[in-house]
Amino acid sequence: AQKITQTQPGMFVQEKEAVTLDCTYDTSDQSYGLFWYKQPSSGEMIFLIYQGSYDEQNATEGRYSLNFQKARKSANLVISASQLGDSAMYFCAMREGRGSNSGYALNFGKGTSLLVTP
Amino acid sequence: ETGVTQTPRHLVMGMTNKKSLKCEQHLGHNAMYWYKQSAKKPLELMFVYSLEERVENNSVPSRFSPECPNSSHLFLHLHTLQPEDSALYLCASSQVWGQVDTQYFGPGTRLTVL
Repeated sequence: AQKITQTQPGMFVQEKEAVTLDCTYDTSDQSYGLFWYKQPSSGEMIFLIYQGSYDEQNATEGRYSLNFQKARKSANLVISASQLGDSAMYFCAMREGRGSNSGYALNFGKGTSLLVTP
Repeated sequence: ETGVTQTPRHLVMGMTNKKSLKCEQHLGHNAMYWYKQSAKKPLELMFVYSLEERVENNSVPSRFSPECPNSSHLFLHLHTLQPEDSALYLCASSQVWGQVDTQYFGPGTRLTVL
């Protein structure tokens, strides 16, 4: 079963407007982390923002904020004041549990392609 | 150099070739990862190394062979690949046991198998 669902394959937004990218997740763990990454056409996966399952406040990083609704299992990314350079693929990812000495695998969604227009 | 670097950035190889992908992290992390990104598919985890020991291998074919000689370097050795192995290969690193174990990615190697 898919653990991360991003239902918007593509989105358009006008420059300087705000946009919300949707992400829902599925886990039975109490402790987990949610991440958003940006991938421009160059290919590099750029970390944007993190939300821990026990964090009571929504995470914010500059123009990025995460609208975390735990009961709905959603972790939407909000980009305010969009810029042309924001055009890219955006991926939501989840790390489940908190192991001991094991690496923490990320489950990624299929991504949303965002195009910012002038 | 800062962050996570990967070489080469682009690689074209025949099915009978042997090549290696290299990843180096300059973040002082203790875990490193290989991911495969094929067109129209989510990122797939291939290998995880924590403290230089392989802790996860997600049923990857034996034609992919990882090597982690120390906590800063990770290699992916390739031999007798198939055309369906053409993809973007991303390396990442993180600090496990840290408060936030964010994975930081390199720029990737775009591999084409002819």
